[in-house]
Amino acid sequence: QKEVEQDPGPLSVPEGAIVSLNCTYSNSAFQYFMWYRQYSRKGPELLMYTYSSGNKEDGRFTAQVDKSSKYISLFIRDSQPSDSATYLCAMSVSGGGADGLTFGKGTHLIIQP
Amino acid sequence: SAVISQKPSRDICQRGTSLTIQCQVDSQVTMMFWYRQQPGQSLTLIATANQGSEATYESGFVIDKFPISRPNLTFSTLTVSNMSPEDSSIYLCSVGGVLYEQYFGPGTRLTVT
Repeated sequence: QKEVEQDPGPLSVPEGAIVSLNCTYSNSAFQYFMWYRQYSRKGPELLMYTYSSGNKEDGRFTAQVDKSSKYISLFIRDSQPSDSATYLCAMSVSGGGADGLTFGKGTHLIIQP
Repeated sequence: SAVISQKPSRDICQRGTSLTIQCQVDSQVTMMFWYRQQPGQSLTLIATANQGSEATYESGFVIDKFPISRPNLTFSTLTVSNMSPEDSSIYLCSVGGVLYEQYFGPGTRLTVT
């Protein structure tokens, strides 16, 4: 069993839809959770970062963490064609300043105009 | 957020040769990280580079193959030695942010023929 599982997709939704992206993990020591967006041939761009369980909202993006279920989600509201990219979840035990991240494989998202 | 640059952005190399990848950050950081992203795979941590000490390598990565230098708080290099086609990947450096997040450079796309 991989440490972080993420459905690779592709996930195709119409413009304006709400998108739900998810990861599950096995290591209960993970406390810091991040979501990145990666366009083709570019480096990962940090979207959201959260600590422990709970929700965090930033514009059209909401990140949720349920540590009891070892499950994290990213919701994108009012999706746009420019949101088409690969979305990577990542997590660490001690935080990104002190610790390397463990990544999921990424979900390829396509927003249809 | 930190601004990170990498050189070269891409290269095509012959097997048996070595390539050194540079990573420059616009602010002083304690830890720098090096990752590999193979086609269709997760980002995988290669090593953590702390200024003034030897880099710490993850399981499956060794110093002879991936020597790392960290001469100051804004710069690091990763060398991919004695390359084979299996080393064809995107190599990324990253640094920690103000809180617990992590930021990535644009990556170096390496093709070994």
